[in-house]
Amino acid sequence: KNQVEQSPQSLIILEGKNCTLQCNYTVSPFSNLRWYKQDTGRGPVSLTIMTFSENTKSNGRYTATLDADTKQSSLHITASQLSDSASYICVVSLSSDFGQGT
Amino acid sequence: SQTIHQWPATLVQPVGSPLSLECTVEGTSNPNLYWYRQAAGRGLQLLFYSVGIGQISSEVPQNLSASRPQDRQFILSSKKLLLSDSGFYLCAGQDSLYGYTFGSGTRLTVV
Repeated sequence: KNQVEQSPQSLIILEGKNCTLQCNYTVSPFSNLRWYKQDTGRGPVSLTIMTFSENTKSNGRYTATLDADTKQSSLHITASQLSDSASYICVVSLSSDFGQGT
Repeated sequence: SQTIHQWPATLVQPVGSPLSLECTVEGTSNPNLYWYRQAAGRGLQLLFYSVGIGQISSEVPQNLSASRPQDRQFILSSKKLLLSDSGFYLCAGQDSLYGYTFGSGTRLTVV
């Protein structure tokens, strides 16, 4: 069973709108959580990384949150642009546990 | 910072032909190295990982093999390609400082 679950599987939004992607995990022990953006036909690129003690991390219009107690993370995209069209992948700790992406 | 070099970007090969994809790492020493395959619109499937020279672990049985002849070199190979080997192949490096870093990928089409 995959230890990292992402939702939704796919998302269509209007340009300029905000959206939130979810990542739930059961991986233990926990070291850090990363969100990656993967453009079609390209390799994933790191957006944010958060350790156990961090609750939020921003990178421009991308804001990631982490609740280590409930083992949930979210990636919020503000004022979406056409260039945000991509797959977003959640990776937990230093394992090979990847979410399936949104 | 850690950089993953992967080539070629695209490759079209006939069924039954051999394959060799090379991945090299820059900016770190003794990284864990990974080969992933990604079907269109799907998540990453781990194929092989290596924690050191000559150390290869396979996650799924398949028509592919991997080798790590040097600390910063990881090679994905096949003796005879199948149509089902078509896909997007990603090499990734991982260390304690930078976490995962991905190459730009190789789009393999077997015809």
